[in-house]
Amino acid sequence: EVQLVESGGGLIQPGGSLRLSCAASGFTVSSNYMSWVRQAPGKGLEWVSVIYSGGSTYYADSVKGRFTISRDNSKNTLYLQMNSLRAEDTAVYYCARLDFWSGYYLGVWGQGTTVTVSS
Amino acid sequence: QSVLTQPPSVSAAPGQKVTISCSGSSSNIGNNYVSWYQQLPGTAPKLLIYDNNKRPSGIPDRFSGSKSGTSATLGITGLQTGDEADYYCGTWDSSLSASFGGGTKLTVL
Repeated sequence: EVQLVESGGGLIQPGGSLRLSCAASGFTVSSNYMSWVRQAPGKGLEWVSVIYSGGSTYYADSVKGRFTISRDNSKNTLYLQMNSLRAEDTAVYYCARLDFWSGYYLGVWGQGTTVTVSS
Repeated sequence: QSVLTQPPSVSAAPGQKVTISCSGSSSNIGNNYVSWYQQLPGTAPKLLIYDNNKRPSGIPDRFSGSKSGTSATLGITGLQTGDEADYYCGTWDSSLSASFGGGTKLTVL
């Protein structure tokens, strides 16, 4: 079964760091494009980052220079390293597989992990 | 402020039809494919429509999508109470930067 399971969320003080993990099963992370999407409380979806199968990475302007997307091929796991966290980073973070047919779309989603940035 | 514009809410009675619009520009919808996602209360989003009008396996044909120019539309027929959810449109540009709509809350009266 194709599945994504996030972990690593929690309560963190402003300026702190956190690393989110997303364990995949049923497919190979390194062979796919993978993305992080977040949703602030009561708000809509916001794209955060993507990593290509070739290893190239891209970020939303709101997190550029603070967040780093990466993967561990041996663990079939995607990561999001979040540094210099701000209150506005408070959200549920979803990892998702970016699929392609004629265009790109998020075909598989994890259940999400909650990050709360507060003192 | 979301890049794509959706109505905040729509409502209709059970068994009726509803449409949800998603408006963008030539830099997003106009030159890229649109996908739609359903987010039931308290759950993660789920793919509903991809490539403007294709349904993944398991999605009933009560759900349909279309695109014209810089706008897209999600249609739901035969409304059921279980369709009450937030619906999001999304598109990806050539650099794989995604844009989402602000979401539309569907209420089945």
